[in-house]
Amino acid sequence: EPEVTQTPSHQVTQMGQEVILRCVPISNHLYFYWYRQILGQKVEFLVSFYNNEISEKSEIFDDQFSVERPDGSNFTLKIRSTKLEDSAMYFCASSGHGLGEQYFGPGTRLTVT
Amino acid sequence: GENVEQHPSTLSVQEGDSAVIKCTYSDSASNYFPWYKQELGKRPQLIIDIRSNVGEKKDQRIAVTLNKTAKHFSLHITETQPEDSAVYFCAALVIQGAQKLVFGQGTRLTINP
Repeated sequence: EPEVTQTPSHQVTQMGQEVILRCVPISNHLYFYWYRQILGQKVEFLVSFYNNEISEKSEIFDDQFSVERPDGSNFTLKIRSTKLEDSAMYFCASSGHGLGEQYFGPGTRLTVT
Repeated sequence: GENVEQHPSTLSVQEGDSAVIKCTYSDSASNYFPWYKQELGKRPQLIIDIRSNVGEKKDQRIAVTLNKTAKHFSLHITETQPEDSAVYFCAALVIQGAQKLVFGQGTRLTINP
């Protein structure tokens, strides 16, 4: 069964550094999402992406964040200048038709020191 | 915007007993309600979902019920087993603009042998 994959599984970075989190959605899916989960808290929506552009973004997704689909398979989340409060698990998800089922990747644990 | 409340935050049941987790949502336009199971350090895994044109859906030992009028939905797990121990999240799909999932706060379910 196809799954969403993410790399790296764990990223440690210093405050102010740029990080890029990578995702490979399920191959025939058209809708892509990033969510984050601070340790012990609920999953929060960051951004959705369809047809090579952002469909919607949350208030968390400020100018420090950007997303890109650089080729036909990868979907990336970039944080330009990381802050301590960016430490969280970041999940990529994809959906075939955007009307329901979203499948999550295994996540990237980002630790900002 | 959509707000999803989930109760209880923790639930402990004896193996073989039933477990019920409840969620309420605020946006009457939401029409898709998935439940995710998240084991420690793993991805949220979709276990069952329901759309607003259906009142109940069952898949082996798990079932979900939806009351659109009251704007609440519930997860029912029967004949619980130790492997059911996990954090369970409910969510509602917001359909304004791009579809995004709004999650509840999660329920930590512990099955006692």
